[in-house]
Amino acid sequence: AQKVTQAQTEISVVEKEDVTLDCVYETRDTTYYLFWYKQPPSGELVFLIRRNSFDEQNEISGRYSWNFQKSTSSFNFTITASQVVDSAVYFCALISISSGSARQLTFGSGTQLTVLP
Amino acid sequence: KAGVTQTPRYLIKTRGQQVTLSCSPISGHRSVSWYQQTPGQGLQFLFEYFSETQRNKGNFPGRFSGRQFSNSRSEMNVSTLELGDSALYLCASSRSGGLEDTQYFGPGTRLTVL
Repeated sequence: AQKVTQAQTEISVVEKEDVTLDCVYETRDTTYYLFWYKQPPSGELVFLIRRNSFDEQNEISGRYSWNFQKSTSSFNFTITASQVVDSAVYFCALISISSGSARQLTFGSGTQLTVLP
Repeated sequence: KAGVTQTPRYLIKTRGQQVTLSCSPISGHRSVSWYQQTPGQGLQFLFEYFSETQRNKGNFPGRFSGRQFSNSRSEMNVSTLELGDSALYLCASSRSGGLEDTQYFGPGTRLTVL
């Protein structure tokens, strides 16, 4: 069975602060992909990043960075110098070889990030 | 390139009615998945279609069904609506349905059942 845990339900920060969103996953598979999506109030899930289980290289993209650690089954997401426009619900998701051809993403419960001006 | 589109964006129905939601994937994408999002259950997988074939279905009752057309557009149908079916229904498309493919989501259809 697969599981994604986002223990932080809500986070509130003041603009320009750095914030890290935590994601812990469970899977018995050795081949899997991890994703982060952002859901603004409009409702659409916006793809942010994909990482496969064989690539533990951390990534930085502008103000966003991701820390993937297989040893702790974590895939954390950091926003540097947060902005009000970053306010949204952020979802971590997992898909693994056990999903077969089903293409079934397993989502965490999401973290509501509020950035205050 | 146009993104995933879903129609309608909002729907209000009453219990017992049925509803059909539509999803047009990104051009060239052949896999379409549907998810239900509710405050209590979060995001849950409904089903996935590839080349007009349903490849898998999530743990939902038979009242939830879908289909995919030859142009990859997909519809989902919910019959005999219940109050608990009120949710945001999200459609996602991917290029070939491979494990490494990224699913891109549409804006969703918000269904309210009264």
